[in-house]
Amino acid sequence: DTEVTQTPKHLVMGMTNKKSLKCEQHMGHRAMYWYKQKAKKPPELMFVYSYEKLSINESVPSRFSPECPNSSLLNLHLHALQPEDSALYLCASSRSWTGAETQYFGPGTRLLVL
Amino acid sequence: GENVEQHPSTLSVQEGDSAVIKCTYSDSASNYFPWYKQELGKRPQLIIDIRSNVGEKKDQRIAVTLNKTAKHFSLHITETQPEDSAVYFCAASWAGGTSYGKLTFGQGTILTVHP
Repeated sequence: DTEVTQTPKHLVMGMTNKKSLKCEQHMGHRAMYWYKQKAKKPPELMFVYSYEKLSINESVPSRFSPECPNSSLLNLHLHALQPEDSALYLCASSRSWTGAETQYFGPGTRLLVL
Repeated sequence: GENVEQHPSTLSVQEGDSAVIKCTYSDSASNYFPWYKQELGKRPQLIIDIRSNVGEKKDQRIAVTLNKTAKHFSLHITETQPEDSAVYFCAASWAGGTSYGKLTFGQGTILTVHP
């Protein structure tokens, strides 16, 4: 299996809702990432997990809460989001967290916050 | 931190022509330079990458060149086809400090190939 999968594909939520995004990979990768992508912009790194430990938090607001239950799964818990948080949320994985490993992206979850 | 500049922001070519996209980076410690293609509504997909110990790499119609001295790298697509139309992102990553392994992306180039 050489794919990163994400669920759901689309999500609409109100500002008081709590929801979660899920990401899964079965490539044996030990680094996993969350990115946020606005239309016509590059992906922006949010979080990096290496060996199931949070290694980078790019000063992301606490209304986004990542979780890595095991080496294959990555979740992003959402609570009290703002309309400006509407975006495509991409998960990625790589063999390890170094400067020269290919990152493979999932198809993303398109989030709309009303 | 690292800064990656990408040009042009839009590129329009006729089918069969070549397309060239250029990126410059700021941190001389950067050692990995991938290129991603993102079609509308799809995930970014790696199309080619180069590491700092290599000057050029080819894969069929796609090639990437790296000039470490000048700190720039370029994507070359020959014999373009309509299905090459997409947004292309360059990126750079470096091994050092607290940002080890972090990819910094360019702003993207919208490539349109006209039949």
